[in-house]
Amino acid sequence: GQNIDQPTEMTATEGAIVQINCTYQTSGFNGLFWYQQHAGEAPTFLSYNVLDGLEEKGRFSSFLSRSKGYSYLLLKELQMKDSASYLCAVRDLGNTPLVFGKGTRLSVIA
Amino acid sequence: DVKVTQSSRYLVKRTGEKVFLECVQDMDHENMFWYRQDPGLGLRLIYFSYDVKMKEKGDIPEGYSVSREKKERFSLILESASTNQTSMYLCASSLVRYEQYFGPGTRLTVT
Repeated sequence: GQNIDQPTEMTATEGAIVQINCTYQTSGFNGLFWYQQHAGEAPTFLSYNVLDGLEEKGRFSSFLSRSKGYSYLLLKELQMKDSASYLCAVRDLGNTPLVFGKGTRLSVIA
Repeated sequence: DVKVTQSSRYLVKRTGEKVFLECVQDMDHENMFWYRQDPGLGLRLIYFSYDVKMKEKGDIPEGYSVSREKKERFSLILESASTNQTSMYLCASSLVRYEQYFGPGTRLTVT
């Protein structure tokens, strides 16, 4: 089966750094994706990891450890507009659809 | 820029009605998907398609059907809408093995 776990909610302060964790158990592995979703809007693609290590893209970074079935999304210099849900998703094999976690709702406070 | 459009942002239908949700993408993507999103349940896959006239069941296909007659268009059909199908419906598309791009969503209310 497939299982993706991430915390339900997190709160962080404007200007700070926050790390959102994701653990997964899938029958295979062909990439891990992070999406951002503002309330009432569609998810938008943030990052993709298929090899172990850190991928950096501006204020956002994503890390993957395949042996541990673990990823995190790191958001630096938090801004109020970063308040959103962050979805972790895994593709287990080949061209199969992404399987999504239930998302982490991040609230950025002043 | 990838663009995925959905026919309606908001839709209100009565129980028993047949409902069509349309999705169009303009980037020649092979793959198209239909999800529904509900609070506490996350995104759940209803159906997907790898090519024209091909369809595969996702995790929750009951009560739904799909049609893909053209590569750019993927339709979701609720044969007889029920109140438990009130939800946000999200269409997505992708190239083979790449990230999925989502449309703006259709919030469907069945009364």
